[in-house]
Amino acid sequence: QQQVKQSPQSLIVQKGGISIINCAYENTAFDYFPWYQQFPGKGPALLIAIRPDVSEKKEGRFTISFNKSAKQFSLHIMDSQPGDSATYFCAALTQGGSEKLVFGKGTKLTVNP
Amino acid sequence: DTGVSQDPRHKITKRGQNVTFRCDPISEHNRLYWYRQTLGQGPEFLTYFQNEAQLEKSRLLSDRFSAERPKGSFSTLEIQRTEQGDSAMYLCASSYRGLSTEAFFGQGTRLTVV
Repeated sequence: QQQVKQSPQSLIVQKGGISIINCAYENTAFDYFPWYQQFPGKGPALLIAIRPDVSEKKEGRFTISFNKSAKQFSLHIMDSQPGDSATYFCAALTQGGSEKLVFGKGTKLTVNP
Repeated sequence: DTGVSQDPRHKITKRGQNVTFRCDPISEHNRLYWYRQTLGQGPEFLTYFQNEAQLEKSRLLSDRFSAERPKGSFSTLEIQRTEQGDSAMYLCASSYRGLSTEAFFGQGTRLTVV
């Protein structure tokens, strides 16, 4: 059973455009939602994270939007750059509970110059 | 480089052989995690240590898999009698106070079982 569903599987965006990746979760006990960025041959790196007491968090060009009632959250990359080309994973965790991050299947983002 | 270090980076082994991977976490991190990532999938949790104690194991961790973290420092993951289905990237991560603070991942060990 996949607890975190991520879409799209792949995404192609022109330089300067907005990249949007969506995730939906099922377990209402999740209360921490990070996004990870992974380049080929590298491990995932934490990009930005949100807790459900806020609906949006912005760090530079990266924004997480969170909809608790719909159990959905999304990553927006503004002014996408070729250097943003990577695979992005959403994940979820229950703080104070299992130390087990549940990851989505990933979105391969390609930003064309 | 003071990040999470994993060794080896790549391992090719014949089916049925045993393999062992090593992870050196960031020195002040007391929590260490092993994940497995297959092609086109997100990482899947295998096991978690707090200091030297193994506190949680996934059902994915069959009896052919064993992990240790002696003295709460580096960790090893051993796979006995490897199968082709074990082919994957094995990722190690560490954190200071748990995953809701930042967890740092290593570059992984890519295992190919032929």
